[in-house]
Amino acid sequence: DAEITQSPRHKITETGRQVTLACHQTWNHNNMFWYRQDLGHGLRLIHYSYGVHDTNKGEVSDGYSVSRSNTEDLPLTLESAASSQTSVYFCASSEWGQGFNTEAFFGQGTRLTVV
Amino acid sequence: RKEVEQDPGPFNVPEGATVAFNCTYSNSASQSFFWYRQDCRKEPKLLMSVYSSGNEDGRFTAQLNRASQYISLLIRDSKLSDSATYLCVVNGGTGFQKLVFGTGTRLLVSP
Repeated sequence: DAEITQSPRHKITETGRQVTLACHQTWNHNNMFWYRQDLGHGLRLIHYSYGVHDTNKGEVSDGYSVSRSNTEDLPLTLESAASSQTSVYFCASSEWGQGFNTEAFFGQGTRLTVV
Repeated sequence: RKEVEQDPGPFNVPEGATVAFNCTYSNSASQSFFWYRQDCRKEPKLLMSVYSSGNEDGRFTAQLNRASQYISLLIRDSKLSDSATYLCVVNGGTGFQKLVFGTGTRLLVSP
């Protein structure tokens, strides 16, 4: 069965370190998204990609970067981790066709703590 | 104005009650609408897509009102297991491939 997986599931890192969160999907979806979720804010879009070599900034992109070298993977990098980036991170993928989005599938999330 | 807005709740209802949630969206050109369910900070999962003509899935009914730019979710005969956060999702952005989430409405069903 197709799936979307995130790793690691939990991570503790120190302020100032570079951290990369992995996201891998086997749906063969063109669209991939990274969200963060914090109490009181719901899911906020960090970065997204519509295909290989395409990346776009979301509403909370400062301090994060992504790259899309293939269809399956969209790693999220925190350039210099800050305590404000302590959050739960979700990766999602979906498809687009004839003017409509398909259902988005989510990974199980990564709980990141920056100390 | 936020792209997608929901009442955060919580909605506290007894088992067997009927409860309705609304969600408003700002972009009149949006074409894709969904309701997702999220349990205890787990990953969101699709509850149902929302079609122009409205659609029903068991105890759940979704409606779309384009004129007023809102979608609704009706849950009949609430179960304890319906306790969760319900997220409204609308497509947006240039090209409309981006999925924008509301902050969610929390539902608590009590015995």
